[in-house]
Amino acid sequence: QITLKESGPTLVKPTQTLTLTCTFSGFSLSTSGVGVGWIRQPPGKALEWLALIYWDDDKRYSPSLKSRLTITKDTSKNQVVLTMTNMDPVDTATYYCARATYGEGWYFDLWGRGTLVTVSS
Amino acid sequence: DIQMTQSPSSLSASVGDRVTITCRASQSISSYLNWYQQKPGKAPKLLIYAASSLQSGVPSRFSGSGSGTDFTLTISSLQPEDFATYYCQQSYSTLGGFGQGTKVEIK
Repeated sequence: QITLKESGPTLVKPTQTLTLTCTFSGFSLSTSGVGVGWIRQPPGKALEWLALIYWDDDKRYSPSLKSRLTITKDTSKNQVVLTMTNMDPVDTATYYCARATYGEGWYFDLWGRGTLVTVSS
Repeated sequence: DIQMTQSPSSLSASVGDRVTITCRASQSISSYLNWYQQKPGKAPKLLIYAASSLQSGVPSRFSGSGSGTDFTLTISSLQPEDFATYYCQQSYSTLGGFGQGTKVEIK
């Protein structure tokens, strides 16, 4: 069974740095053709792709947020960590991690349940 | 940066109706287009990848078509469990941006 679970603070203050961890099981991020990404969704709004890390440690970021994001992986722990600097109330959202798989193109085939992060002083 | 635009933003339909949702890319993305379904309070679920390939376990009433810049998600006969929000996503330039979503509501 493949699962992904997001963890991290539920409340952060403006200007702080957010660190989220995605812990997964049932697959390995050292397997060719696999990645893990982060996606967020402000309350009542659309999905927004943030970052993606591939099995070969290649990393991709949303152009609009690239300066604030860092994604890393720890293959031995089956974890992917996303940091986002300089948090603002507009960053309040549910943050999801998802497995990326390649098959006629890349897609997110399995998702975590998400974690709600509120940015407020 | 490739922009994805969905239409309509919402629609009302009845059980049994045929529903079509459109997604347009700001530049050609070949067939690198995915569709997801999201129900309230739940994570998105992959329906279609590579524009027309049905994800395992997804009912055959869902289908996708298109290439280049214009794509379509069709539900052939809307079922009660299909009332949800649908998102397209391009995977041409990395696995990236989503459309703004189409909410399918009960008429």
